[in-house]
Amino acid sequence: SAVISQKPSRDICQRGTSLTIQCQVDSQVTMMFWYRQQPGQSLTLIATANQGSEATYESGFVIDKFPISRPNLTFSTLTVSNMSPEDSSIYLCSGTRTYNEQFFGPGTRLTVL
Amino acid sequence: KNEVEQSPQNLTAQEGEFITINCSYSVGISALHWLQQHPGGGIVSLFMLSSGKKKHGRLIATINIQEKHSSLHITASHPRDSAVYICAVNGDYSGGSNYKLTFGKGTLLTVNP
Repeated sequence: SAVISQKPSRDICQRGTSLTIQCQVDSQVTMMFWYRQQPGQSLTLIATANQGSEATYESGFVIDKFPISRPNLTFSTLTVSNMSPEDSSIYLCSGTRTYNEQFFGPGTRLTVL
Repeated sequence: KNEVEQSPQNLTAQEGEFITINCSYSVGISALHWLQQHPGGGIVSLFMLSSGKKKHGRLIATINIQEKHSSLHITASHPRDSAVYICAVNGDYSGGSNYKLTFGKGTLLTVNP
């Protein structure tokens, strides 16, 4: 298995600012993903973080709003840019080695005022 | 796109009761996951199924591939089982989508002492 940690665990931010969330895995994983869970909604995939190249974004999510980095096989960051109250969500990082091995981080609870 | 439906949305039980949570999906999958989410937002993977039945302690998960349906059972429920239980499916093997997860909205389980 793999253990994933995220920083920060929660934050309260002002609209118009940006927040970078870090995701650290204790061992190498093949793929890393970022998800968003808006209040009362299911988890939605934002993007696949690709090591050493640009992330692959899902429909409705763009790089300017959610820039992602993945410099190596154990670390990734997600930035939520120019935040508005609609960005208030839980942001989750996950990693996989094979399709049936999914590891999840503890989540970052973001509130935008 | 796969649609994942869970029922019930909310479930309240008395300690000791047998609990069933259902999940159905609309198109073929490579695997189905049952996840547990606690109030802080972090997610724990309970089961991954591609066929049949799995048991871990008081938890049992079954899947019927032909009917596109899975159930999560909790025997002798306990207040510490209170959490949100989420069903998620991997895409089929085409185009590399099998790594991506589509999530249900979750079932909020409350077990009263």
